[in-house]
Amino acid sequence: DQQVKQNSPSLSVQEGRISILNCDYTNSMFDYFLWYKKYPAEGPTFLISISSIKDKNEDGRFTVFLNKSAKHLSLHIVPSQPGDSAVYFCAAKALGGTSYGKLTFGQGTILTVHP
Amino acid sequence: DVKVTQSSRYLVKRTGEKVFLECVQDMDHENMFWYRQDPGLGLRLIYFSYDVKMKEKGDIPEGYSVSREKKERFSLILESASTNQTSMYLCASSDSYEQYFGPGTRLTVT
Repeated sequence: DQQVKQNSPSLSVQEGRISILNCDYTNSMFDYFLWYKKYPAEGPTFLISISSIKDKNEDGRFTVFLNKSAKHLSLHIVPSQPGDSAVYFCAAKALGGTSYGKLTFGQGTILTVHP
Repeated sequence: DVKVTQSSRYLVKRTGEKVFLECVQDMDHENMFWYRQDPGLGLRLIYFSYDVKMKEKGDIPEGYSVSREKKERFSLILESASTNQTSMYLCASSDSYEQYFGPGTRLTVT
């Protein structure tokens, strides 16, 4: 059972435009969400996160929005740059208890930004 | 800066061989993880460890085992490699919020 889903396997945008990557989750125990970026032949690197007590978090060109009632989050990249071309993974976790920092990842979305 | 290193970037093994993948972290993190990444399937958790000698199965533990004898080191073992274990293997360590990943090992089993 896929608890975190990224339904778009790929996304193509023009340089300078907005990229919007989407993620849905089913487990209501998740209360912390992260986005990771992965280049080929490298490990994923942390991009941005959001706690369930917020509905928006911004860091430079990257903004994550959380809609708890819809169990949906999205990552906005504005403006998109060719160097943003990578695989983006959404991840979720349940804080506290015996989670041990365990993350549940989505399938990933391949973003291609064309010059 | 957190550093997670993996023993090999690329590895080619034959079917039936025993394979060891090593991971070392330098941030004194309690939690360490092994994932495999396959196209269209994302990152799937194989095993994780929350303390020395403590381990728990992840979502796809079959065909794998792990060892954590020291806090900084977490090893993934393929007891008898099979072609369906050809994949990218990623190790991570965690401070309970973010996970920090190593560069990955691309394992090919022929």
